[in-house]
Amino acid sequence: GDSVTQMEGPVTLSEEAFLTINCTYTATGYPSLFWYVQYPGEGLQLLLKATKADDKGSNKGFEATYRKETTSFHLEKGSVQVSDSAVYFCALSGNYGQNFVFGPGTRLSVLP
Amino acid sequence: DGGITQSPKYLFRKEGQNVTLSCEQNLNHDAMYWYRQDPGQGLRLIYYSQIVNDFQKGDIAEGYSVSREKKESFPLTVTSAQKNPTAFYLCASSIEDNYEQYFGPGTRLTVT
Repeated sequence: GDSVTQMEGPVTLSEEAFLTINCTYTATGYPSLFWYVQYPGEGLQLLLKATKADDKGSNKGFEATYRKETTSFHLEKGSVQVSDSAVYFCALSGNYGQNFVFGPGTRLSVLP
Repeated sequence: DGGITQSPKYLFRKEGQNVTLSCEQNLNHDAMYWYRQDPGQGLRLIYYSQIVNDFQKGDIAEGYSVSREKKESFPLTVTSAQKNPTAFYLCASSIEDNYEQYFGPGTRLTVT
């Protein structure tokens, strides 16, 4: 079945550092790909998405590009802030009737 | 404002009691979902519903029950048969199955 793999956390960075959180997927066909963010004690919020190969999703300084050749959707941000500390989930939506598949999440801590 | 509401935010129950968690959405979404999240863990799908009066078991349905009598509402009952019910419960909805999901703020259930 479809699956999503993320880099293990926690990831700890200093403020203004460059962020990359790796995400790779296994799926048949052409899934849509998503990044969600969860702040402590809250629900998940959709951060960005891409629905076809080579699409770039972006929001709040975060970006991710749908790379079909490497089956990847890595999340990047040029300069992180303390307020970006959260858990980040990569997810895919298959197009053959499967439900959403979430990755295990990667915890990011940004230190001042 | 459209969105998903879950109530209450915190819920405490004694072991052996059934408890019902509320989830309401005014987004006019057809599909609704319940997830369980344990500390430091990812999401696990309990039940989902693609349309009123229909629902399917997810990966960890044992000890849980749901109903979908109205499009807007998808309550989850945690029964006494659930062996380890203490967790953070998240409700989500999407316009249709396999589209991006929107999450409520969650209910933290503690059973002692």
